Amino acid sequence: NAGVTQTPKFQVLKTGQSMTLQCAQDMNHNSMYWYRQDPGMGLRLIYYSASEGTTDKGEVPNGYNVSRLNKREFSLRLESAAPSQTSVYFCASSDVSGGHDEQFFGPGTRLTVL
Amino acid sequence: GENVEQHPSTLSVQEGDSAVIKCTYSDSASNYFPWYKQELGKRPQLIIDIRSNVGEKKDQRIAVTLNKTAKHFSLHITETQPEDSAVYFCAASWSNFGNEKLTFGTGTRLTIIP
Repeated sequence: NAGVTQTPKFQVLKTGQSMTLQCAQDMNHNSMYWYRQDPGMGLRLIYYSASEGTTDKGEVPNGYNVSRLNKREFSLRLESAAPSQTSVYFCASSDVSGGHDEQFFGPGTRLTVL
Repeated sequence: GENVEQHPSTLSVQEGDSAVIKCTYSDSASNYFPWYKQELGKRPQLIIDIRSNVGEKKDQRIAVTLNKTAKHFSLHITETQPEDSAVYFCAASWSNFGNEKLTFGTGTRLTIIP
């Protein structure tokens, strides 16, 4: 049981390049989330998905797109990376049906945009 | 939207003493208040949470108190140990057992002095 996994662990991009961050969970959770973490800013929600086929914007969605490919996978895409998107990105998931609210986080992706 | 303020941003405590971290929230509809611990370079992990129908919750050396009227909640760690050194984040959301759009505080870096 791997929990929440993310790839890649590290990535360096040039301004204007695109990339997709991958996230998968094996806990059969319905809800999945993407956060970014910047020094002194805490964790800020980018997008979330309450169930397969649905997505919704969080606090800081500009410059990002997401895809809930199936129940297990939730990807985050940067179409044209900017230095302001340099951050650590965390994916998380939670269980709706179990009546628990705990969000389980992946190990994170450290992204640098030059 | 919800706004969560967290204080202090840094806290140093002698080993064995108690540590208290405080958060305030703005949305009176919020009903779920988790606390996450993040060790250096690691993912955030839930350590304790509380719902608005409960005033206090305790789990061994950690406890959380909630004052709905004043819209603030606090994390209390007693008999601190070196492994308690980490960054702690509070969060708030309106929870319907799933679809939690957590709003996080900016974090408290707790250092335990041996």
